Amino acid sequence: GDSVTQMEGPVTLSEEAFLTINCTYTATGYPSLFWYVQYPGEGLQLLLKATKADDKGSNKGFEATYRKETTSFHLEKGSVQVSDSAVYFCALSDHSSGYALNFGKGTSLLVTP
Amino acid sequence: ETGVTQTPRHLVMGMTNKKSLKCEQHLGHNAMYWYKQSAKKPLELMFVYNFKEQTENNSVPSRFSPECPNSSHLFLHLHTLQPEDSALYLCASSQDWGPSSYNEQFFGPGTRLTVL
Repeated sequence: GDSVTQMEGPVTLSEEAFLTINCTYTATGYPSLFWYVQYPGEGLQLLLKATKADDKGSNKGFEATYRKETTSFHLEKGSVQVSDSAVYFCALSDHSSGYALNFGKGTSLLVTP
Repeated sequence: ETGVTQTPRHLVMGMTNKKSLKCEQHLGHNAMYWYKQSAKKPLELMFVYNFKEQTENNSVPSRFSPECPNSSHLFLHLHTLQPEDSALYLCASSQDWGPSSYNEQFFGPGTRLTVL
């Protein structure tokens, strides 16, 4: 079945450092891919998405490119801020498994001043 | 300011208790969801309601009983739970039940449930 694997955390970075959070997926069809973010004490928020191969999703300085050849959707940001400290979830939605979202386990990011 | 609210935010209950979780969305959406978020595990979709009708039940034990009286409210009734049911229970809503690429899900802050 469909699944998402993302790097284990926690990830600790200094402010203004470059961020990469790896995400790879397994799917039988042609999934849509998402990154969600969960700030402390809050629910998940959609950060960005890509619906087909080579699409790049971007929002708030974060980017991720849908790579079909490597089945990856890595999240990147050039310069992180303390306010980016949160848990980041990679997810996919595949028509062959209905409209549900399949989430990875989440990666905790802590940005220090 | 989230358009999805959940009460209570924290709940501690014994295995013989009966309690209910409440979710309300103020976004005019037609689909609502219950997810379970356990430590070190991916989010698990439990139930989906679309226009008040249950469309998905992902093999959830009967000790969890959902109720959707209208498109704005969703309940999760709990009875005779087990300690392993302790988790964060998240509610979400979307405009409709359809391809996720067109139907962004909006999440509430969750209810932290502890079963003793």
